[in-house]
Amino acid sequence: AQSVAQPEDQVNVAEGNPLTVKCTYSVSGNPYLFWYVQYPNRGLQFLLKYITGDNLVKGSYGFEAEFNKSQTSFHLKKPSAHVSDSALYFCAVSDQTGANNLFFGTGTRLTVIP
Amino acid sequence: EADIYQTPRYLVIGTGKKITLECSQTMGHDKMYWYQQDPGMELHLIHYSYGVNSTEKGDLSSESTVSRIRTEHFPLTLESARPSHTSQYLCASSGVLGIYEQYFGPGTRLTVT
Repeated sequence: AQSVAQPEDQVNVAEGNPLTVKCTYSVSGNPYLFWYVQYPNRGLQFLLKYITGDNLVKGSYGFEAEFNKSQTSFHLKKPSAHVSDSALYFCAVSDQTGANNLFFGTGTRLTVIP
Repeated sequence: EADIYQTPRYLVIGTGKKITLECSQTMGHDKMYWYQQDPGMELHLIHYSYGVNSTEKGDLSSESTVSRIRTEHFPLTLESARPSHTSQYLCASSGVLGIYEQYFGPGTRLTVT
């Protein structure tokens, strides 16, 4: 069975500093991994994905994520945080069936302090 | 922004009423999904569809039902709303070959009094 863990409910970072939001996964077979962001009273917005290939994937708004197979991790990173990055971030893994159902982590609330 | 729409955005309704939450997408996606999310919490899949006339229950048991008569439309119905149904409902779609991510609508926040 697939599962995702986001060990931090809350991450605070000063504006301009690098940020990391952690995610570990458990899946049989090769993982398809995703990051989404949710702003208040909005749906989820897709940020980036890892399907295969280069372990460092780049996505929207300057975010990137590093796939680490040995540590079963897919941490989200950004070199310099902006106040506008404050939001709820979800990591997800696909079950790779025909429906491509996603299993989400519990979310991490990122607060960027001016 | 993805072309997936949900109406209404907010709904306050009394116990026992029948409600239908609408979801439409203009991307021609075969697969559509309904998630339930309490504010600031994780998402739980309650229904999904592979295509027209296909519906499946998700991981979280739900008293709601869905239908998929047209590719672009995936409504969710509660026959008799209860306060325990108060939540946010998010619709999503995916399906272009080789593209695995799902695209989400803005959500419907339902409050049952």
